[in-house]
Amino acid sequence: TQLLEQSPQFLSIQEGENLTVYCNSSSVFSSLQWYRQEPGEGPVLLVTVVTGGEVKKLKRLTFQFGDARKDSSLHITAAQPGDTGLYLCAGSGNFNKFYFGSGTKLNVKP
Amino acid sequence: GAVVSQHPSRVICKSGTSVKIECRSLDFQATTMFWYRQFPKQSLMLMATSNEGSKATYEQGVEKDKFLINHASLTLSTLTVTSAHPEDSSFYICSARRAGVNTGELFFGEGSRLTVL
Repeated sequence: TQLLEQSPQFLSIQEGENLTVYCNSSSVFSSLQWYRQEPGEGPVLLVTVVTGGEVKKLKRLTFQFGDARKDSSLHITAAQPGDTGLYLCAGSGNFNKFYFGSGTKLNVKP
Repeated sequence: GAVVSQHPSRVICKSGTSVKIECRSLDFQATTMFWYRQFPKQSLMLMATSNEGSKATYEQGVEKDKFLINHASLTLSTLTVTSAHPEDSSFYICSARRAGVNTGELFFGEGSRLTVL
């Protein structure tokens, strides 16, 4: 099992603010994914990063994979209430099994 | 996009009974499916890897006789919780990988909430 620690665990912000969520591990990953999950539903894939130092953007979301492929960050610009949810990172050492991080629960208040 | 469906979405059973949860890939073939469980306000914990036509691989600490997994076809994997007890109550989620594609992308089902009385 490859442990992934996410921080912060909880984040409550006002609409329009920026935020960053971190995903850290002592393991090297061949692939790292970010998901968003709503209560009572399965996770939905946001992005997959595979190259160290890679940066991907998805509208107001910016994802970065660390140079050493041990960590990643998710930055949200001008957060909106629709961004509320549980954000999960998941890493794989061999493109096969993915292990999930501890999760970050985001609440964006209007 | 690829669709994965789980059934039932919710199930309530008495302690000691067995419950089967199905995971189907509706529009693609999946040689590999994964089963996770999620406790309230927590992340997903990988339970086992289900491979079509072969035995499932269980993660450390997961009882294979307690959580029976069958992956008899390229579109269906089942998880049976045997002799369920209240501590087995959880949200069980499956995911599937499209056969022949190695991007690592997983497609998740909607989840099945099990409550054991």
